[in-house]
Amino acid sequence: DAGITQSPRHKVTETGTPVTLRCHQTENHRYMYWYRQDPGHGLRLIHYSYGVKDTDKGEVSDGYSVSRSKTEDFLLTLESATSSQTSVYFCAISEGLAGFKNIQYFGAGTRLSVL
Amino acid sequence: GESVGLHLPTLSVQEGDNSIINCAYSNSASDYFIWYKQESGKGPQFIIDIRSNMDKRQGQRVTVLLNKTVKHLSLQIAATQPGDSAVYFCAENIPGNQFYFGTGTSLTVIP
Repeated sequence: DAGITQSPRHKVTETGTPVTLRCHQTENHRYMYWYRQDPGHGLRLIHYSYGVKDTDKGEVSDGYSVSRSKTEDFLLTLESATSSQTSVYFCAISEGLAGFKNIQYFGAGTRLSVL
Repeated sequence: GESVGLHLPTLSVQEGDNSIINCAYSNSASDYFIWYKQESGKGPQFIIDIRSNMDKRQGQRVTVLLNKTVKHLSLQIAATQPGDSAVYFCAENIPGNQFYFGTGTSLTVIP
């Protein structure tokens, strides 16, 4: 998975609890992304980062926050998890902004269940 | 082809046959496209890409065709193998924007 490690791989939590998912890369790519994957939808962008401490919102950012304190780590936090956030979460990396030849490479995913 | 809905389109092929997976993309301004393969329980894996100034691109056992007139993309897999069983989806990119991902087609290879 292109030098990308997501942790944990599986998590079950209760509504209202905070959850943090971690993405770690060894490729030294500038861009990192968090997506969610749900039945009936393509991958949907939550947040992305274009450098240390530089982040921006994606299509479905409500209820999520991110942080990037080091090039290699990108954290996704659900401040107060809800059942609608039950999903599979994927981290991706790319050398440049989405576009020609800036292919996004994905981690193995984290399956999150909010009960 | 791909569509938004709870059930993925499915394609079943015999081992050794050729597979054709289709994708209708949404925006005529999209100029870059990627095909991904996603095996069960794994992350999406890059297969092949194509830019809008081309209408065909070949890789190892795979060919992508682009028809900009009807906003259609196809992925052809030659001599399909059991290891090709997976969900395949396309991604489109408008310059300066993020990728937009399709919902995918589930390919099953019958030995």
